[in-house]
Amino acid sequence: DVKVTQSSRYLVKRTGEKVFLECVQDMDHENMFWYRQDPGLGLRLIYFSYDVKMKEKGDIPEGYSVSREKKERFSLILESASTNQTSMYLCASSFGGASTDTQYFGPGTRLTVL
Amino acid sequence: GENVEQHPSTLSVQEGDSAVIKCTYSDSASNYFPWYKQELGKRPQLIIDIRSNVGEKKDQRIAVTLNKTAKHFSLHITETQPEDSAVYFCAARLNAGKSTFGDGTTLTVKP
Repeated sequence: DVKVTQSSRYLVKRTGEKVFLECVQDMDHENMFWYRQDPGLGLRLIYFSYDVKMKEKGDIPEGYSVSREKKERFSLILESASTNQTSMYLCASSFGGASTDTQYFGPGTRLTVL
Repeated sequence: GENVEQHPSTLSVQEGDSAVIKCTYSDSASNYFPWYKQELGKRPQLIIDIRSNVGEKKDQRIAVTLNKTAKHFSLHITETQPEDSAVYFCAARLNAGKSTFGDGTTLTVKP
């Protein structure tokens, strides 16, 4: 069974703080993703990584950065948290490859920025 | 980039009825179309997917159809049950690894 874990289920931070969200997968997946989920807006891709130290911007990268130093770990960084970054953050991973590309999601981190 | 539109945003059906959710995509090069189900408070999970060289796929009460010419694909759930109540997301994959998701459909099955 694929396991994707996230460092926190709930997080409360203050405006201006630096925030780290971590994601770990145990299936040797090539691809890892960070999404934010807001009501009525679906899953919006922030960043994804297709290999160690490789990253690509998604649809809404502004205000975020990422780090992938090891294959199993993908971190999302909010350099200076703002209230409009209050959201549910979902990490996902996938094997990669040309045919199918099922994404396996973590449980999510509910971030509140005060 | 790819753009995916999903309709309806909410859907309410009586138990035993069928439910249909439709998605359209913009880029004809998209080649993989998964559907995810997210129950309340849980993570999204894949329920069915279809590749661009297939027109229809079925798994028990769930089926997906793909019309490449019209660039749309649909999820069909027959004999709905209360446990089918969830948010359903469609997605389209253009480039290896990266998928674009629809905004989701909240399905409510009334007993």
